[in-house]
Amino acid sequence: RKEVEQDPGPFNVPEGATVAFNCTYSNSASQSFFWYRQDCRKEPKLLMSVYSSGNEDGRFTAQLNRASQYISLLIRDSKLSDSATYLCVVKASTGGFKTIFGAGTRLFVKA
Amino acid sequence: DAGVIQSPRHEVTEMGQEVTLRCKPISGHDYLFWYRQTMMRGLELLIYFNNNVPIDDSGMPEDRFSAKMPNASFSTLKIQPSEPRDSAVYFCASSYSGSTDTQYFGPGTRLTVL
Repeated sequence: RKEVEQDPGPFNVPEGATVAFNCTYSNSASQSFFWYRQDCRKEPKLLMSVYSSGNEDGRFTAQLNRASQYISLLIRDSKLSDSATYLCVVKASTGGFKTIFGAGTRLFVKA
Repeated sequence: DAGVIQSPRHEVTEMGQEVTLRCKPISGHDYLFWYRQTMMRGLELLIYFNNNVPIDDSGMPEDRFSAKMPNASFSTLKIQPSEPRDSAVYFCASSYSGSTDTQYFGPGTRLTVL
């Protein structure tokens, strides 16, 4: 079983739609969680951190469920510019900063 | 401000040749990470450094791969000898211990081994 698993998609949605991505992780002692965004042939960039209480940044909402070892990302009112691959990232709990990236979920937003 | 700088951006080489990838982290960052990305395996952490010291190299595939960080502003990832299965995009990233949530990635080096 992979340490971080995501639905690879692709998700094809129209502009204005709401879309949700899920991610599960296997290490129950994992410490920190993030969503990164990667555009085609570009480097990954941090989209948002994921906190236990859930957090929102504009049209983006991230949730963490430690009991189920589950992370989610909700995008409301999708824009064409949201088309990208979304990477779920988990930071290991053993000291230091080893980070595990999921394989990514591909999103296409169409006009 | 300059971000993470990687060179070369593209490298095409023949099997058996030595390949050296270079990275300059963001000034003031004390963590440096090397990743490899392929379609089959996604983004894999190869090794990371803290204050120029290798902390975890468990992701380095085999002895053909080596990484060094001689000073705070420079790191290399070397593959010797290279093989076709090493073809991938290699990313370098850096972060600051005072704000470890964010890793800043360089543009990557696209390596093709023929």
